[in-house]
This record gives sequence, structure tokens and C-alpha cells, in this order.
Amino acid sequence: GESVGLHLPTLSVQEGDNSIINCAYSNSASDYFIWYKQESGKGPQFIIDIRSNMDKRQGQRVTVLLNKTVKHLSLQIAATQPGDSAVYFCAENKNTDKLIFGTGTRLQVFP
Amino acid sequence: DTEVTQTPKHLVMGMTNKKSLKCEQHMGHRAMYWYKQKAKKPPELMFVYSYEKLSINESVPSRFSPECPNSSLLNLHLHALQPEDSALYLCASRAAYNEQFFGPGTRLTVL
Repeated sequence: GESVGLHLPTLSVQEGDNSIINCAYSNSASDYFIWYKQESGKGPQFIIDIRSNMDKRQGQRVTVLLNKTVKHLSLQIAATQPGDSAVYFCAENKNTDKLIFGTGTRLQVFP
Repeated sequence: DTEVTQTPKHLVMGMTNKKSLKCEQHMGHRAMYWYKQKAKKPPELMFVYSYEKLSINESVPSRFSPECPNSSLLNLHLHALQPEDSALYLCASRAAYNEQFFGPGTRLTVL
């Protein structure tokens, strides 16, 4: 959803639990989607991507799910660790040169 | 070499100063980007260079002037900036039809 003012949506999870971060995208014509992780003071780091001809893709401890019917994207992180604490952005690609970023979700992992 | 580098890491400048931000990649990527990111917000696209030619300018004020001297380098020249221009400036590069790789950013403060 949209962030209000300076507040990022926040997901708090216990270490070892699974995390699910959600994202709604805007353009049904988008054909490429990416999840980025951004730690404090650093640039966004690529996590995983998926093309519109797929509905699921798995990486190491991460899974991205794409539901084109409702224009929804999710990132699942298995066995969440303290090092996973960061802001997570989804991004959609409408053409080959431009990414549209979502508002971001802060993931906090507590022991 | 699989990274995007940016210099300087931090920059403090007055409103009458002229400074430049630099970005470099040696991955042979054909597209390079400048983004501006304010605290708790997603990156906002400023400029895109494709094959060393400016392909997208997101209505950025003329006090920001991009330059692409060659396929590996991207500069952002700054002149007469305002305090509200203080932000993290991110550079990214991309191979065809693949994800954008981001640099660590330059933290700019305008006094």
C-alpha cells in the first residue's frame, strides 16, 4: 500500500520464521518484476526477478510469486535471519529502460 | 568486475558551488541511470543513457546536468543546488533485458 508521510510499512518477524512481503503493481502491461533489498546507507541490491510468463520463481531462501490476475507480487523469505533486516522494494518494468519502484517495506527481524 | 562504483561517498556543498558526481561500471552494460532517493522513499529516476546517448530525462531541473563521456562512465554535474536537493544519488547500469545493478550512492548535503 501507499506510505503516509515518512512512515514505511513495517513487517516485524522473529528470527527463524518465514517472512512474506507484498506488493501491488499498477500496469498490467508490465512484463518484468524485480525485488531489491536496501540496507541502511547502501544502494539497492538485486534479490530475485520474475517475468510475466511465470507465476513462481525460487532462489536461495527466497521465492517470488506473481499473480497477474490481481496485479500482486510477493517475496517470501524462509528462515529469516537478522541480516535480512532492510527495506525491500518491488519494481516493475514497463519498457526496457525504466523501472517503477513500489513504496517499500521495512523488514525488522528480532531474536 | 561486477560492480558499479560511485565517487565521492559523501559530498557537502553550498548553494553557489559546482560539483560533480561520478559513476563507473566495467560490465559492458549499455544503459546507465541516475536516481535520486530521499529518506524512506523509493529511488526516483532522473536520467537514462542508452548507448551513451540521453534517452530519458524525467523533467529534472537544469541545475542537474548529466554527461556520459564513454560507455563505462557517467557523471552528474551539479550547480546552484537547493537544500531540498539533499538526498542519496544512486547510479545504476543494466545489460539488455536484465536487472539494474546499483552503486552504493553518493550522500549529498546542500547547505
